[in-house]
Parts: sequence; structure tokens; C-alpha cells
Amino acid sequence: DADVTQTPRNRITKTGKRIMLECSQTKGHDRMYWYRQDPGLGLRLIYYSFDVKDINKGEISDGYSVSRQAQAKFSLSLESAIPNQTALYFCATSDSRRGEGFNYGYTFGSGTRLTVV
Amino acid sequence: QKEVEQDPGPLSVPEGAIVSLNCTYSNSAFQYFMWYRQYSRKGPELLMYTYSSGNKEDGRFTAQVDKSSKYISLFIRDSQPSDSATYLCAMSVGDSSYKLIFGSGTRLLVRP
Repeated sequence: DADVTQTPRNRITKTGKRIMLECSQTKGHDRMYWYRQDPGLGLRLIYYSFDVKDINKGEISDGYSVSRQAQAKFSLSLESAIPNQTALYFCATSDSRRGEGFNYGYTFGSGTRLTVV
Repeated sequence: QKEVEQDPGPLSVPEGAIVSLNCTYSNSAFQYFMWYRQYSRKGPELLMYTYSSGNKEDGRFTAQVDKSSKYISLFIRDSQPSDSATYLCAMSVGDSSYKLIFGSGTRLLVRP
């Protein structure tokens, strides 16, 4: 099984619908992130969570909300989807522990391709 | 101006060529530098990880950091068609509120 699992892999939804993207991880990492990727714009941070009780907005949080249900689960919701939210969405994790064997790198899921029509 | 700039490409090279991928950045506080490889329809995967200036080698890959010029590079020797992917640089200050800042990625195509 993948270390970071995202569901669904693909989703087509209509404008105005509420949709939830889910992410679960087996890495044991405490930090989790949601990014969207658009051609030419790269990865942009939507929300991040350093632990279950710590949720922070990223650079493009408008129109999105998140829930950290457990250390291993972090979901992203689009309350009322609009076409310009069509993008590839990635969940990522990282470990706050430092020292030998730890680094600042992220582990990414395989992504959810969302299309809003 | 973006904090991290990366030429989007595409960069097309013949198999066996040496590939040079580059990023420039504006924040002199960045200390940790990474390269990610992203295949089509997949998530980015960590390829190289370096701290501060200098070189790091791993097989056919060499990461180079020049903090005085705010410039990082990834070299791929003896490039293979399987190296065809998008390469993203990423960097961090490394403080307690740590976040990675990503370049927008360079698409590489290695022709057989």
C-alpha cells in the first residue's frame, strides 16, 4: 500500500456541489498539507496542519476548508465548487522530528484530478 | 516576483546526454534544498536533499547549491528515457514554522 493515499483519484463534479477529498498516511508523520497544482503555476499551498489541533491557511485557502480527523487523516472540502477549482490536488506529509535519519522532505500522494463543470 | 524561479521547459535531449536543471531564488535565508521528480499522473517524489552550499552526488544525479549566487542545479549524467519527467526544486528556511517553497517545475524529455 502507498504511504500516502488519496481518494478519489479522479472526480468530475458540477458547479455549486460540495465535494470532499480524502487523504490518509501510514508514514507516522505529524504534519500534513494540501496543495493544488496548475500548469505554469506549480504547487500552491491550500492548508497545512502541524498536528491534530493545529490547522493553518496557506496561500490560496479561499473556497476550501479542511478537517484533521486523526494524525493519519486530513481531508479537504470544497464547500461550493466552481470551475476555476479544476486542478490536480495533492496531499503531502512531513516529519517534524530532526536528527539523524530525518529530513525536511515531503512525501506526496498520487493526487486527485478534480474537474468542476 | 516569485521566491523561486524555474524554467518550465520543455527540455528535450538525446539519450546519454548530460542534463542540467536549474532554479534561482530570492530569499537568502533558505538553507535546505531539494529536488523532486514527478512523472505524469503521479505525485512528486523526493530525489535529492542538500543542506547549505556544496555538491551532493547520488548515482547519476548531482545536486549543486551556490548560495552566493542564489542558484541551485541538478545534473543528470547518462540520461535515460525513464528520466523523462517534470523536475521541481524546493527549498526551506528550516525554522520551526517550516514550509517548503516549490519552483513551478521543468519538464524533461529524453529521446531514445
